[in-house]
Amino acid sequence: DAKTTQPPSMDCAEGRAANLPCNHSTISGNEYVYWYRQIHSQGPQYIIHGLKNNETNEMASLIITEDRKSSTLILPHATLRDTAVYYCIVRARTGLAYSGAGSYQLTFGKGTKLSVIP
Amino acid sequence: SQTIHQWPATLVQPVGSPLSLECTVEGTSNPNLYWYRQAAGRGLQLLFYSVGIGQISSEVPQNLSASRPQDRQFILSSKKLLLSDSGFYLCAWRGWGTDTQYFGPGTRLTVL
Repeated sequence: DAKTTQPPSMDCAEGRAANLPCNHSTISGNEYVYWYRQIHSQGPQYIIHGLKNNETNEMASLIITEDRKSSTLILPHATLRDTAVYYCIVRARTGLAYSGAGSYQLTFGKGTKLSVIP
Repeated sequence: SQTIHQWPATLVQPVGSPLSLECTVEGTSNPNLYWYRQAAGRGLQLLFYSVGIGQISSEVPQNLSASRPQDRQFILSSKKLLLSDSGFYLCAWRGWGTDTQYFGPGTRLTVL
């Protein structure tokens, strides 16, 4: 899996958009960008993932640059409950996913600690 | 919709005591199931995964074991806990044909 680089921490004012960057310059063509977050003392929460097109769901938007070497997770209207550590992960979809075989370990780096400020 | 449960939420156990942590998934069939441990300030360590009832693969040799007695039940056990077993234990599931893992709320284990 490609390595990712994220800033260790960011602040965002409540109600404003939070833009969390991730660099993945060694990403290969079959690797997806995944984002998870972990609120203190809770299990990681899946947010969104994408390959090359921008993606949006009820939680966030994912903007992937055309060269796919970086991406940005956007929380459009940050609330205090969005304070968490955000992890950007790059990994290939495995054909084994369809057969169910394989360990498919998920590896988190250090992530970005986002603090939403009132 | 699918939900994943873990219990207990927190546990304090003496060294040498047994352990049993339970994970159950609702709203899906034949999920791939995972046990991870997250030590303080460190990343996730995959401990076990299972692709079906009775099928367990171990990623890291240790004094822990796992079992899957039912399709949507995954149990993490130990006969004798060590101090180094302290940590945040996470169960996760993944559906067939998807790559996304969904995590449970976790169990915080402290071994004294």
